[in-house]
Amino acid sequence: DVQLVESGGGLVQPGGSLRLSCAASGFTFSGYWMSWVRQAPGKGLEWVADIKQDGSDKNYVDSVKGRFTISRDNVKNSLYLQMNSLTVVDTAVYYCAREPIYSGSRGDYYYMDVWGKGTTVSVSS
Amino acid sequence: NQMTQSPSSLSASVGDRVTITCRASQSIGLFLNWYQQKPGEAPKLLIFATSSLQTGVPSRFSGSGSGTDFTLTISSLQPDDFATYYCQQSHSTPRTFGQGTRLEIK
Repeated sequence: DVQLVESGGGLVQPGGSLRLSCAASGFTFSGYWMSWVRQAPGKGLEWVADIKQDGSDKNYVDSVKGRFTISRDNVKNSLYLQMNSLTVVDTAVYYCAREPIYSGSRGDYYYMDVWGKGTTVSVSS
Repeated sequence: NQMTQSPSSLSASVGDRVTITCRASQSIGLFLNWYQQKPGEAPKLLIFATSSLQTGVPSRFSGSGSGTDFTLTISSLQPDDFATYYCQQSHSTPRTFGQGTRLEIK
């Protein structure tokens, strides 16, 4: 079965750091872009970051640039999110997702077709 | 690129035809995806590239639009469809989501 399992969430104080992991199985991990999406309590979805198959291209939402780093290990079939200088607004469930690309006549269409169950990050003093 | 969904919430009955609208602040061509999320669960992909139905998704779901205006239509609501729906643009990064539309039972 295709599966993504996040881990590494927890309670951290403002200004602290946390590293999230996402273990992939059931598909060729190195063949896909991968992404992180978060959801604050009672709020909507927020795309956080994504990374190309070989790690050579990374994109971030402005609110995390300079604080968060997305990375991957294609040998370990794992995706990571290093989160530094955390603030209360970073409190959320963090999902990892597989990001296939559909090549259409008008370009490459990105979407997220497989999601993990999420890991909860709470930033509080 | 800001994505705005309407309505924010909607009450409907089983068997109803329902349409949810998503508007982009800038033209995004056909780079629009739709997801369904139920409480306590991860989102589920319904439609990608505006109108392509994800494998396994019932055919009562359909998507249309282009440029800045898009719609998700459920042709005949089923009990399992009561959830929150999100659009997402994949034209550029950050790949922004709409704020969500909560579909409730009337």
